[in-house]
Amino acid sequence: QKEVEQDPGPLSVPEGAIVSLNCTYSNSAFQYFMWYRQYSRKGPELLMYTYSSGNKEDGRFTAQVDKSSKYISLFIRDSQPSDSATYLCAMSGIGGFKTIFGAGTRLFVKA
Amino acid sequence: DTGVSQNPRHKITKRGQNVTFRCDPISEHNRLYWYRQTLGQGPEFLTYFQNEAQLEKSRLLSDRFSAERPKGSFSTLEIQRTEQGDSAMYLCASSLMARGRISPEAFFGQGTRLTVV
Repeated sequence: QKEVEQDPGPLSVPEGAIVSLNCTYSNSAFQYFMWYRQYSRKGPELLMYTYSSGNKEDGRFTAQVDKSSKYISLFIRDSQPSDSATYLCAMSGIGGFKTIFGAGTRLFVKA
Repeated sequence: DTGVSQNPRHKITKRGQNVTFRCDPISEHNRLYWYRQTLGQGPEFLTYFQNEAQLEKSRLLSDRFSAERPKGSFSTLEIQRTEQGDSAMYLCASSLMARGRISPEAFFGQGTRLTVV
């Protein structure tokens, strides 16, 4: 069993839809929970991160962490075609140096 | 461009050859990481440096792989006697870890895509 599980999709939605992306994990030592976006043939870029449990909002993006269920989510409101990319969840312990990534979910937003 | 720079962007090599990749991190960043990413998978941690010290290596990093970061600036990743299974995207990332500043944020380069034929 992988430490971080993420449905690879693909997920296809119409423009303007609310997108929900999720990951589960098994390691209780994870303290930082991150979401990266990766466009084709590019390196990942950090969208947002959360420390421990709770919610965090940044513009159209909302990240949620439920440590009791070992479940994290990323919501994208009013999705745009430019949001089409692979979304990677990632987690690390308190030292923050060794980050474990999910497989990534490919998202397509159709105009 | 002040981001993380990786060279070359693409490398095609014959099986059994040695290859070396270079990563130039963001200048003030003291941590540098190497990851490997294969198609349809997320990046897998290989190793990381704090300044010039290599502090952790993944079990994925076989004896054929070696990484260095002389003087705590740029880093190189060398693969000896390449195998077809080494074909992947090799990603470098850097971050700033300082006392009183807790953030897992790492900035990634564009990667070096290795194809072993």
